[in-house]
Amino acid sequence: NAGVTQTPKFQVLKTGQSMTLQCAQDMNHNSMYWYRQDPGMGLRLIYYSASEGTTDKGEVPNGYNVSRLNKREFSLRLESAAPSQTSVYFCASTVKGSVYGYTFGSGTRLTVV
Amino acid sequence: GQQLNQSPQSMFIQEGEDVSMNCTSSSIFNTWLWYKQDPGEGPVLLIALYKAGELTSNGRLTAQFGITRKDSFLNISASIPSDVGIYFCAGLNYGGSQGNLIFGKGTKLSVKP
Repeated sequence: NAGVTQTPKFQVLKTGQSMTLQCAQDMNHNSMYWYRQDPGMGLRLIYYSASEGTTDKGEVPNGYNVSRLNKREFSLRLESAAPSQTSVYFCASTVKGSVYGYTFGSGTRLTVV
Repeated sequence: GQQLNQSPQSMFIQEGEDVSMNCTSSSIFNTWLWYKQDPGEGPVLLIALYKAGELTSNGRLTAQFGITRKDSFLNISASIPSDVGIYFCAGLNYGGSQGNLIFGKGTKLSVKP
């Protein structure tokens, strides 16, 4: 099982450029999440999708959009990248209502210059 | 919103020493989870706690769910170099409209050989 797969692993963008971070899981999970991790800030939720067809804002949604393409895939889009969006982005998934926590991808390290 | 206070922020210890870290919250949780993040990877679940007062071990790791349901601790005995990483606590209340994990800001563990 691949678990949660994120692409790309690394990306450098210029300010104002757009890009989409891809996430796919093969565990038949209902719920998917996007987090960003910054030094000393822990993991902050950007957007989540409790089930296919629904998306909701998390703690830090500004500057991002998401698409739950199907049950497997949940993408994160930066329409106009800013240096403040330099971060490591993690996708995670779980069975809705699960008490076992989340399975995380290995992250995308994004630098905006 | 709910917040978790995790301490210490970082630890620099000698190989073979025992390690202790904890997490407190102003809110109660139904589940406490402890994750470890290796450098360049996503967090991986170490231990899950489901009942107030529960004490659970996983090899050299021991974690407890506080009796008030507002805190948890993680102990690592006889630390080794591969224990290096960032440890996150997370609280979960399943059910409700969100059912998301709330993460602490992490404890960075460094081990001297």
